[in-house]
Amino acid sequence: DTEVTQTPKHLVMGMTNKKSLKCEQHMGHRAMYWYKQKAKKPPELMFVYSYEKLSINESVPSRFSPECPNSSLLNLHLHALQPEDSALYLCASSHKTGQSYEQYFGPGTRLTVT
Amino acid sequence: DQQVKQNSPSLSVQEGRISILNCDYTNSMFDYFLWYKKYPAEGPTFLISISSIKDKNEDGRFTVFLNKSAKHLSLHIVPSQPGDSAVYFCAGGNDYKLSFGAGTTVTVRA
Repeated sequence: DTEVTQTPKHLVMGMTNKKSLKCEQHMGHRAMYWYKQKAKKPPELMFVYSYEKLSINESVPSRFSPECPNSSLLNLHLHALQPEDSALYLCASSHKTGQSYEQYFGPGTRLTVT
Repeated sequence: DQQVKQNSPSLSVQEGRISILNCDYTNSMFDYFLWYKKYPAEGPTFLISISSIKDKNEDGRFTVFLNKSAKHLSLHIVPSQPGDSAVYFCAGGNDYKLSFGAGTTVTVRA
């Protein structure tokens, strides 16, 4: 089973709203990631959690707040977003195979900020 | 600073023939490379990986070749099938971090 699930599939929120994106995997992977993807562009890394600790923050604005409650779950809390934050938000998890961290992606949450 | 480049934005191939996708990189510190396939409105699907210490890896219809001296890798898909029509991304990896290319859109013609 190489499944990463994400909820919700679509989200529309106003600039004053607070919402959360959720991600879950049951593959026993100990690294989990949040990416942002704009149309016709490659995914951009936002955050990496390794063994439930924040390992990488790619200078993401504080209106995005990640949380890793346990080894299977990853949340992304959203507050006071801007219209330019509208994008596909992808969660991924990985295990190490030799030198490689093979990342498995979820289907994404399509976020629209109005 | 784009460390991974896919210089062909699109590729059209006849069903049953070979698809060859190319990728160039500038960062000699990459430890591994990954290829992903992506359909519209879905997350990328992992296809195949290769370690920087190898020059070839094969999995079913997919083979990835790595030429370290040229900083070049390629993905071969044989035979191409209609379901292979998608955007393909290559990525270079160093520890947890991936640097993605811009993608190549593959269209498989019947």
